[in-house]
Amino acid sequence: DIVMTQSPDSLAVSLGERATINCKSSQSLLYGSDNKNSLAWYQQRPGQPPKLLIYWASTRASGIPDRFTGSGSGTDFTLTISTLQAEDVAVYYCQQCYEIPPAFGQGTKVEIK
Amino acid sequence: QVQLQESGPGLVRPSQTLSLTCTVSGGSINIGGYFWTWIRQHPGKGLEWIGNIYYSGTTYSNPSLKSPVTISIDRSKNQFSLKLSSVTAADTAVYYCARAGDPGPFDVWGQGTMVTVSS
Repeated sequence: DIVMTQSPDSLAVSLGERATINCKSSQSLLYGSDNKNSLAWYQQRPGQPPKLLIYWASTRASGIPDRFTGSGSGTDFTLTISTLQAEDVAVYYCQQCYEIPPAFGQGTKVEIK
Repeated sequence: QVQLQESGPGLVRPSQTLSLTCTVSGGSINIGGYFWTWIRQHPGKGLEWIGNIYYSGTTYSNPSLKSPVTISIDRSKNQFSLKLSSVTAADTAVYYCARAGDPGPFDVWGQGTMVTVSS
C-alpha cells in the first residue's frame, strides 16, 4: 500500500503570510499516458467534512481561491497558501488517488500566529 | 449538484452491527465513472478509507479494518449502505460517505454522522 507522509504536523503563520505544507508518497503517483499526478489536497475546518481544494496535484477545484496552489510531481508535493486568511485555519490533508486503498496523509494543522 | 446525506443509529452496542445509509440527491447513483465511498474519522484523528462500491456492484474494502465490512447499493432508492459487523469501541468515529471519480479525488462529501460504540 502507498503511504502518505505530511510535514509539518502543524504550523502557525501570521495573517497575510505564506503557509507551505509538504506531502511525500512512498511511490510515484504519476498516472496514465498523459503523466498526471494522482494527488489531491483537502481542507477540513472544525466540525466540517473535508473539502476538495486541489486535484491532479495542481488543478484547483471549483470555487477555490487562487491563493491555494498545488505543485510537485512523482513522490513530492506541496500545498501553498500564498496569503493566509483567518478562514484558512483548518487541517489540510493530502491523498493519493493512484490506487486502492486511497490513502491520506496524517494531516497538517494550520493556525494563526 | 450532487449531495450526499448519511443516516443511521448514533449508538451501537459492542459486538453488534453498525449500519449506515448514504442517500444521493441531485444525480443518479446508477452511472459509471464514480466510486461511492465510506470514510471514517476517529475523534481528533485523521481520515481512514473504509471501502467503496461501483454502480455495477463491484466493491473494495480496506483489509486493515478489524471489523468485517459490507457495502451495498440500492439503485431504486439512489442509496448505498455500509455494514460493519462485530464492532468494538475502536469503531467509534465520524462516518462520511463520499463520491470519488474513477480515477479521481473525493469531490462530494456528506456532512458526516457520529457513531459511538458503547454498552
